[in-house]
Amino acid sequence: EDQVTQSPEALRLQEGESSSLNCSYTVSGLRGLFWYRQDPGKGPEFLFTLYSAGEEKEKERLKATLTKKESFLHITAPKPEDSATYLCAVQASGATNKLIFGTGTLLAVQP
Amino acid sequence: GAGVSQTPSNKVTEKGKYVELRCDPISGHTALYWYRQSLGQGPEFLIYFQGTGAADDSGLPNDRFFAVRPEGSVSTLKIQRTERGDSAVYLCASSLAVNNEQFFGPGTRLTVL
Repeated sequence: EDQVTQSPEALRLQEGESSSLNCSYTVSGLRGLFWYRQDPGKGPEFLFTLYSAGEEKEKERLKATLTKKESFLHITAPKPEDSATYLCAVQASGATNKLIFGTGTLLAVQP
Repeated sequence: GAGVSQTPSNKVTEKGKYVELRCDPISGHTALYWYRQSLGQGPEFLIYFQGTGAADDSGLPNDRFFAVRPEGSVSTLKIQRTERGDSAVYLCASSLAVNNEQFFGPGTRLTVL
């Protein structure tokens, strides 16, 4: 069964304190891995898509990386406005375009 | 350009009632998805449309749930005989047919009393 596990469930950082969020996945064949950001009371906001092991993508203070079993979302020198829930999702090969999500990591960055 | 819009933003209903939730996708997006998100959980897939047809409805929990997209644009998720367990945020997303990125709307928060 296709599955996504995210850790930690919650993370509290001081402003400027870099860290990483983990997304482990089990899927019959990976078509793509997606990272989203979700603010309270809003829908998920698309961040990145990764397609193959070794791929990396960056956007401002965020960098996403992918291996054959997991993905990391690295946050460099975070600011309070980076506080949100970060969701990871996979899309399996041969399946329809549905996304299978993890439960997310709730990030709080304190000034 | 406008993003995905959903109406209403909040819906409170009584157990046993019928509800309709509406989604307007991004203009030009041919694929449309419905997900359901409970508190503290990630979104859970319900149904996916390619054009007017449901390409995958494997996530619909039971026959009380039904969705349509008659003209290949706006979609309506219909829930009959609502139960308290149906309370959740219902999210809609859309994507270009050849592009995998799914863009989400703000969701409809459904509360069944």
